[in-house]
Amino acid sequence: GENVEQHPSTLSVQEGDSAVIKCTYSDSASNYFPWYKQELGKRPQLIIDIRSNVGEKKDQRIAVTLNKTAKHFSLHITETQPEDSAVYFCAASKGSYIPTFGRGTSLIVHP
Amino acid sequence: NAGVTQTPKFRILKIGQSMTLQCTQDMNHNYMYWYRQDPGMGLKLIYYSVGAGITDKGEVPNGYNVSRSTTEDFPLRLELAAPSQTSVYFCASTTAPFGEGGYEQYFGPGTRLTVT
Repeated sequence: GENVEQHPSTLSVQEGDSAVIKCTYSDSASNYFPWYKQELGKRPQLIIDIRSNVGEKKDQRIAVTLNKTAKHFSLHITETQPEDSAVYFCAASKGSYIPTFGRGTSLIVHP
Repeated sequence: NAGVTQTPKFRILKIGQSMTLQCTQDMNHNYMYWYRQDPGMGLKLIYYSVGAGITDKGEVPNGYNVSRSTTEDFPLRLELAAPSQTSVYFCASTTAPFGEGGYEQYFGPGTRLTVT
């Protein structure tokens, strides 16, 4: 089955810096790669996603890049703010609708 | 739309007790899922359903059972609760046109379960 590795497990940045979280996947047939943000005590919520026919997608301060050859995708957050502090999960899935999640990255943005 | 709702929000069980975690969605989604999230860990799939009357095991199904009699409801049953089942349980749903994969999952608010 699919295996998703996520790094780093913890990321600490100063407000205004950029943050990058990287995930690698094992199944070359995976074609959908969402990123979820989970604030403390809350439910995971989708913040951005990308499909395998696209190399990059941006939404304001958030971007995701996909390298199908290397089987990795990354979340980029620019101009980080304290409210960006949360746990971020990547996932990969294909036609089975059963996503495989990474173990999460705890992002801490220091004011 | 209320989205995905779960009850209860919190529950403390004694070892050996049983309970049902309720999950309801009002988005007419075909696919529903149950995950558990242990402290500091990711999401592990317990069971999922691709439509009413159809369920299948995920990564960690032991100690749990599910049913899907309607599109809206997907209850999770814990039989003979054990301390290892202490976790936060999330229900999720998604819509995916047949033959296409990869759509956003909508999560419920979670149920925090403690077994002592």
